[in-house]
Amino acid sequence: NAGVTQIPKFQVLKTGQSMTLQCAQDMNHEYMSWYRQDPGMGLRLIHYSVGAGITDQGEVPNGYNVSRSTTEDFPLRLLSAAPSQTSVYFCASDQGGEQYFGPGTRLTVT
Amino acid sequence: EDKVVQSPLSLVVHEGDTVTLNCSYEVTNFRSLLWYKQEKKAPTFLFMLTSSGIEKKSGRLSSILDKKELFSILNITATQTGDSAVYLCAVRNTGNQFYFGTGTSLTVIP
Repeated sequence: NAGVTQIPKFQVLKTGQSMTLQCAQDMNHEYMSWYRQDPGMGLRLIHYSVGAGITDQGEVPNGYNVSRSTTEDFPLRLLSAAPSQTSVYFCASDQGGEQYFGPGTRLTVT
Repeated sequence: EDKVVQSPLSLVVHEGDTVTLNCSYEVTNFRSLLWYKQEKKAPTFLFMLTSSGIEKKSGRLSSILDKKELFSILNITATQTGDSAVYLCAVRNTGNQFYFGTGTSLTVIP
């Protein structure tokens, strides 16, 4: 049981580049979510999904897209990276309220 | 605006001390309140609280929720250096959105 996995662990992008942060879980959880964590700001919800084919916006969705074609995978796409998107990104899944977090992706946009 | 406020922001104690961490919230359509521990990596789940006045306990950690006054406390007794971490409080609403506080940084000195 791998739990929640995220790829990559670290990434450096130039302004304007696009990329996809991968997230997968093997616990058959319906609910998955993406957060960013910035110093002094806590965790902020970007997007979430309550099941395959269903996604919704969280607190800070601008600049990010998601899709949920399978229960296992929930990728986060940055279409045109900006320095303000420099952050640590966590993916999480849960069933019944107890969230399991992935190890995080540290993204730097220069 | 939905928000979760934690206090204090940081705390330094000696091993063996007892600490109380506070979490107050203003979130519409409350579903549950959760506590996490974060040690320089992904947050790990501690407690989920849904009902007022029912204490949840795990070893030296305990937590209780007051839905009338909109707050929760996390108690840690007989603190150890391994308790040093950031403790996060989050509230989930019935729409499956999570709101996190900025955390309390606890340092336990030997």
